[in-house]
Amino acid sequence: GAVVSQHPSWVICKSGTSVKIECRSLDFQATTMFWYRQFPKQSLMLMATSNEGSKATYEQGVEKDKFLINHASLTLSTLTVTSAHPEDSSFYICSASPRGRPHPEKLFFGSGTQLSVL
Amino acid sequence: SQQGEEDPQALSIQEGENATMNCSYKTSINNLQWYRQNSGRGLVHLILIRSNEREKHSGRLRVTLDTSKKSSSLLITASRAADTASYFCATTFDSWGKLQFGAGTQVVVTP
Repeated sequence: GAVVSQHPSWVICKSGTSVKIECRSLDFQATTMFWYRQFPKQSLMLMATSNEGSKATYEQGVEKDKFLINHASLTLSTLTVTSAHPEDSSFYICSASPRGRPHPEKLFFGSGTQLSVL
Repeated sequence: SQQGEEDPQALSIQEGENATMNCSYKTSINNLQWYRQNSGRGLVHLILIRSNEREKHSGRLRVTLDTSKKSSSLLITASRAADTASYFCATTFDSWGKLQFGAGTQVVVTP
């Protein structure tokens, strides 16, 4: 089956530093990738839609200058949390939509990244 | 946000019992999916039901969909301790798979 690799699986950083999270589709090309955030004991909230070769589309309330998304190739999207603060501590997870499927019925999720900002 | 609601928020049952959880959503959908998430881990896709389907089975899972009530239910029969997890419904309403997740139901199955 299709595999999405997300790295790192967990990261601890100091307040004020930036952290980059990678999401790779290993055996398919992904025109579109999605980034979600999940706070403890809460649901997943869509942050942004990452489109290969164009700017990401951010959901309302998500700061695009703080959460930088780059989708430079059909197999890689990155999320950079800039100037991280403790309130950014969360579980971040990506999903990928295979290229050419107009109605993807099953998305492929990465295993998530637990970010802890001290 | 059109994030759906799920109930119950938490469910505690014994092995062998059935677990039922419900999900409601707000707008028209293409399909509805159920996912499982073990503590602090990624999502596992369980089952997808299309908007023109009313019921679907997969192993010990049974999903129903009532589009007139904008609701779905997930039934896990003969539960096992390994079924302990959080369960989320998710709806798609566009053509590229942008998901809106429900609040989730935390299920604990005790041996």
